[in-house]
Amino acid sequence: EVQLVESGGALVQPGRSLRLSCAVSGFTLDDYAMQWVRQGPGKGLEWVSTINWNSGSIGYADSVKGRFTISRDNAKSSLYLQMDSLRPEDTALYYCAKGGSRDWYAESWGQGTLVTVSS
Amino acid sequence: AIRMTQSPSSLSASTGDTVTVTCRASQGVSINLAWYQQKPGKAPKPLIYGVSTLQSGVPSRFSGSGSGTDFTLTISYLQSEDFATYYCHQYDSYPWTFGQGTKVEIK
Repeated sequence: EVQLVESGGALVQPGRSLRLSCAVSGFTLDDYAMQWVRQGPGKGLEWVSTINWNSGSIGYADSVKGRFTISRDNAKSSLYLQMDSLRPEDTALYYCAKGGSRDWYAESWGQGTLVTVSS
Repeated sequence: AIRMTQSPSSLSASTGDTVTVTCRASQGVSINLAWYQQKPGKAPKPLIYGVSTLQSGVPSRFSGSGSGTDFTLTISYLQSEDFATYYCHQYDSYPWTFGQGTKVEIK
């Protein structure tokens, strides 16, 4: 069974940093692109970042480019999101998602980890 | 960035109805278009990818169509469990983007 478990969410002050992790099981991480998607309170889905299987292709939303860094450790079956210079508008539930077998859409999702940026 | 505009933002329907949600992209996204369903307090669930390919396990009353910049999600014979919010998503070019969502409510 495919499982994705996010962790690392917390209450943090503006300007500070936070690192999210996504531990996966039930599949070989090496074979899939992975992404982060967030959802602010009462808002819609916002794509954050995607990384391909070997980290050779990475994309970011304009709203986080230069502040967030996506990475992966296939040996540890883990995906990460380093978030620096956090802003109140980064407050959201952050989901990690696995790409499809033959496509890059978000085929499987975790339950999310909550990041709150507030003084 | 490619802007994805869904319409309507919300709709009311009855069980047994056929519902159509449209998604317009500000530029072509080839076949890299997916649809997701989200219920309150739950993670999104994929329904359709590649414009029209049904995700495994999704009922056949869901279907997707379209090309270029205009896409449609159709739910035939609406069931009680289909009342949710639906999002389109383009993954053709960075930055990827979602539509703003369409909430399907019970009439």
